[in-house]
Formats: sequence, structure tokens, C-alpha cells
Amino acid sequence: EVQLVESGGGLVKPGGSLRLSCAASGFTFSSYSMNWVRQAPGKGLEWVSSISSSSSYIYYADSVKGRFTISRDNAKNSLYLQMNSLRAEDTAVYYCARAIGYCINGVCSYFDYWGQGTLVTVSS
Amino acid sequence: QSALTQPASVSGSPGQSITISCTGTSSDVGSYNLVSWYQQHPGKAPKLMIYEVSKRPSGVSNRFSGSKSGNTASLTISGLQAEDEADYYCCSYAGSSTYWVFGGGTKLTVL
Repeated sequence: EVQLVESGGGLVKPGGSLRLSCAASGFTFSSYSMNWVRQAPGKGLEWVSSISSSSSYIYYADSVKGRFTISRDNAKNSLYLQMNSLRAEDTAVYYCARAIGYCINGVCSYFDYWGQGTLVTVSS
Repeated sequence: QSALTQPASVSGSPGQSITISCTGTSSDVGSYNLVSWYQQHPGKAPKLMIYEVSKRPSGVSNRFSGSKSGNTASLTISGLQAEDEADYYCCSYAGSSTYWVFGGGTKLTVL
């Protein structure tokens, strides 16, 4: 059974940093592109970042470019999101999601499995 | 403001059919057959319902179907059931600078 379990969320002050983790199990993690998608309280979904299976291709939404860094450790079946210079508007539940389907340069057609999410609150 | 436009809410009675629209532009929905739909119950993770415009993952009821015409994609749910009550989000690939865009979500109420 595919499982994605996020951790690392919490309360952080504006300008602070946080590192999210996503532990994967039930599939060959090193074969899949992975993504972070967030959802602000009461709002819709927003794609944040994507990383290809071997970390060769990495992409970011403009809203987080230069502040967030996605990475993965295939030996540990884990995905990470290092978030720096956090702002109030980064407050959201952060989901990790597996990408699958038709893939080009690490970008795949759709997100087939999602974790339960971890809440990040940026507030003074 | 979300990149893709969805109605904020739709409703229907059990057994009826409803359609949720998802309007984008020629840079996203109109250019790629990479539209997917996700169902989200309150406090839960999104669940894939439709991918690549009209394909249904294994385990998803055939009451769910997807289509696309021009810059607008649609999700149709037939034979509405109480458990279909949820938020629904469309998503489209938007090219190699924006990558993925989502709709603002549609709250489906089963009356």
C-alpha cells in the first residue's frame, strides 16, 4: 500500500525557517517524481515544487522561488522541503504527492497519491 | 485568484447528474490533455478522480467522467450519492514556466 507521511510542520515567525519531510513507503520511491502542494486555510490547492526521480529536474512556483528548496534522499525514501524567509501567506497545509503518467523532464501527467499533510503556520 | 476558474458551488439530488466546469486559457487547459480532477472531503487529502482529461483510475466509480472542449474541462458525476459531497479541484499543466495550475475548487452539495 502506498503511503506518504508528512512531518515537520508547526508555528514559525515571519522570516523564519522550517524543514518539512515526507516519508514514502509501499512503492519504489526512487522511480517517481515527487511534488509539494499546499492549501491555505479555507482555500484551494497550489502547486509548490517538483523534483524528478533522480533529482535531475527541479521546479518551483514563482511564489516560493528563491526561498524554498526541494530535495530527496532515495536511500531513505524521503522527500524534503526547506522553507526559508517564511511569510504569513505561506501558512498552509503542505501535502507531498507522487507524480505519475506521461513524464517529460521530470514533469508527469498527474498526482496519484497524496499524504495527509502537515500544517505550517507563519505568525508572530 | 486561482489560475483556473470553477464555480464555487454546485448541488444536486441523489440520483441526478451534475457537471463542474473548469475554465482556463490556451496556455493551459487549451494546450494540453493533462487535466486532472481531485476530490477532497473535509480534513482529508485530495484523491485523484480523473486524469489526462477523461481517464479514470482503478477503483474510481464509473459514475465519474471527464471531458474537455477548447479551454474548458468538465467533470460529470452521474447517479449522485451522498458520499460524493465534497470539494472538487481541477488541475492542468501550464507549460514549462508555470508548470501546474489548480482551480479554486467547487463545493458539491448532495441535497
